[in-house]
Amino acid sequence: DVKVTQSSRYLVKRTGEKVFLECVQDMDHENMFWYRQDPGLGLRLIYFSYDVKMKEKGDIPEGYSVSREKKERFSLILESASTNQTSMYLCASISRGNYGYTFGSGTRLTVV
Amino acid sequence: QKEVEQNSGPLSVPEGAIASLNCTYSDRVSQSFFWYRQYSGKSPELIMSIYSNGDKEDGRFTAQLNKASQYVSLLIRDSQPSDSATYLCAVIQDTGFQKLVFGTGTRLLVSP
Repeated sequence: DVKVTQSSRYLVKRTGEKVFLECVQDMDHENMFWYRQDPGLGLRLIYFSYDVKMKEKGDIPEGYSVSREKKERFSLILESASTNQTSMYLCASISRGNYGYTFGSGTRLTVV
Repeated sequence: QKEVEQNSGPLSVPEGAIASLNCTYSDRVSQSFFWYRQYSGKSPELIMSIYSNGDKEDGRFTAQLNKASQYVSLLIRDSQPSDSATYLCAVIQDTGFQKLVFGTGTRLLVSP
């Protein structure tokens, strides 16, 4: 089975901190995605990457950046965490030509 | 208008009944449709995909697609309490980058 691993299940950070969320997949997938999920708003796309060092903004990129230095790893960075970034963050990957996303287990981030 | 719309529920059905979950989408060019199941506190898991008009069956699950009316539905036969979860409808927004747009989900409750 494809495995998508997110480094932390729960995270508590202070306002203004720089936060790194890591995601690693083990199936050589080209495309990787970061979503956040909030009650009543569903999953919203933050950023995605279709190749090493290639990235595209999603629907809500403000306050976030990403890094993809290796094919298997896609990092989400909160440059200066704010309370409105408290959310569940979900990483997903997919191979080109296959439309079934595989999600990681998610990181529940609380910014205090 | 939201791109993918679902009734938030909860939809309550007794054990053994058929649960019917519905989803409408706004983009007429959408070609690929997915149903994900998400248990509370967990990440979404893919349960069905459908690309052509008509029905697609997989075990107790049947996905139905009507592109002319722009809706997709999921039927769960012989519903079990373990089916209690939130069901997310998703539509490919960009076939090049394989971006999925999600509905906000319908919560299903199956009572014993």
